[in-house]
Amino acid sequence: ETGVTQSPTHLIKTRGQQVTLRCSSQSGHNTVSWYQQALGQGPQFIFQYYREEENGRGNFPPRFSGLQFPNYSSELNVNALELDDSALYLCASSYSPGRGTEAFFGQGTRLTVV
Amino acid sequence: DQQVKQNSPSLSVQEGRISILNCDYTNSMFDYFLWYKKYPAEGPTFLISISSIKDKNEDGRFTVFLNKSAKHLSLHIVPSQPGDSAVYFCAASARIKAAGNKLTFGGGTRVLVKP
Repeated sequence: ETGVTQSPTHLIKTRGQQVTLRCSSQSGHNTVSWYQQALGQGPQFIFQYYREEENGRGNFPPRFSGLQFPNYSSELNVNALELDDSALYLCASSYSPGRGTEAFFGQGTRLTVV
Repeated sequence: DQQVKQNSPSLSVQEGRISILNCDYTNSMFDYFLWYKKYPAEGPTFLISISSIKDKNEDGRFTVFLNKSAKHLSLHIVPSQPGDSAVYFCAASARIKAAGNKLTFGGGTRVLVKP
């Protein structure tokens, strides 16, 4: 059973550029959530995808968008990057979107915007 | 507006002793709580959870206590081991269908267990 994997592990982008982060969910999981963790803070919920549809969104602007594919892998896209977007981006998968089902996290993608 | 707070950014404890991590929340809609552990360069790992219908849940060396009236929960680790040195996050979720399985995290507590 493979765990949650994210790519790339590190990325440096220039302000104003666009970035795509990728996540492969754990085998058997159909739900993927994305979180942003700024330095010294806890993760903040960006959005969740369940069976290829957005299933909840946190307080992030529309330039943060996502996709989920038929194999339940997912992408996070961020347009018009700002310096404050520099953070660790975490993907978490679970076997259902319901509460009480624990989310399993990937190792994260460290994004630096310069 | 920080709905989940961990007021102690760090904790140092001797190996074999008890570690007590605290977490406070303000949103009365939260009814499911989790603790995650995070090592450097790794994602958070689920430790233990508790539903609001309980006031205690135990799993091996880890016990979580929930005081709903005080909107407070704590994680006890007994006995503490050097491998427990990590950052611990408290997280909460609410019974709101549109929120899916959204977790609201605290800021974390860095635990150092000294041999």
